[in-house]
Amino acid sequence: NAGVTQTPKFQVLKTGQSMTLQCAQDMNHNSMYWYRQDPGMGLRLIYYSASEGTTDKGEVPNGYNVSRLNKREFSLRLESAAPSQTSVYFCASSNRGRDTEAFFGQGTRLTVV
Amino acid sequence: QQQVKQSPQSLIVQKGGISIINCAYENTAFDYFPWYQQFPGKGPALLIAIRPDVSEKKEGRFTISFNKSAKQFSLHIMDSQPGDSATYFCAVGSAGTASKLTFGTGTRLQVTL
Repeated sequence: NAGVTQTPKFQVLKTGQSMTLQCAQDMNHNSMYWYRQDPGMGLRLIYYSASEGTTDKGEVPNGYNVSRLNKREFSLRLESAAPSQTSVYFCASSNRGRDTEAFFGQGTRLTVV
Repeated sequence: QQQVKQSPQSLIVQKGGISIINCAYENTAFDYFPWYQQFPGKGPALLIAIRPDVSEKKEGRFTISFNKSAKQFSLHIMDSQPGDSATYFCAVGSAGTASKLTFGTGTRLQVTL
């Protein structure tokens, strides 16, 4: 079972460069999420998609854009990377409804220099 | 504004001891309280979760205690083992919001021999 797959696993960007983080899930989940994890700050929600065709801002959306390409795929784009975006990024998915477990990918470690 | 306050930041427990991690939340609209476990280099994974209609939930060595009036919940790990060494995150969520979660800042647990 693949679950939630993120690519790439590691990336180094120069300030001002752009890139897209890819995420795909094979559990037929409706909802998908992008979080960033920084030391001492836990996981903070960047964007989420409740269902195919919809996206909404989370707690820290500035500097990011997302695309829910289809039910399986949810990508995160950094248009002009900044050092403050150095972080570990996690994609997650879940079904709607009560007691819904969120399943996380392995993460993408991004460094912006 | 921090919606979930988690303590302690780090914890060292001897093998066989009890590990206790606490979380406090502000918004009474939250009705889903999971704990996630994360090993280095991996994504978080659901450990145990509770709804506010019960005061305690036990799964093996892991127990959540929930105090609705105090807006607090805690994770107890009985007979702690070295394999429990990980970072633990509490989270809060509410039904009808696409299951998106707000996480605490995390507790790094080390279980020594």
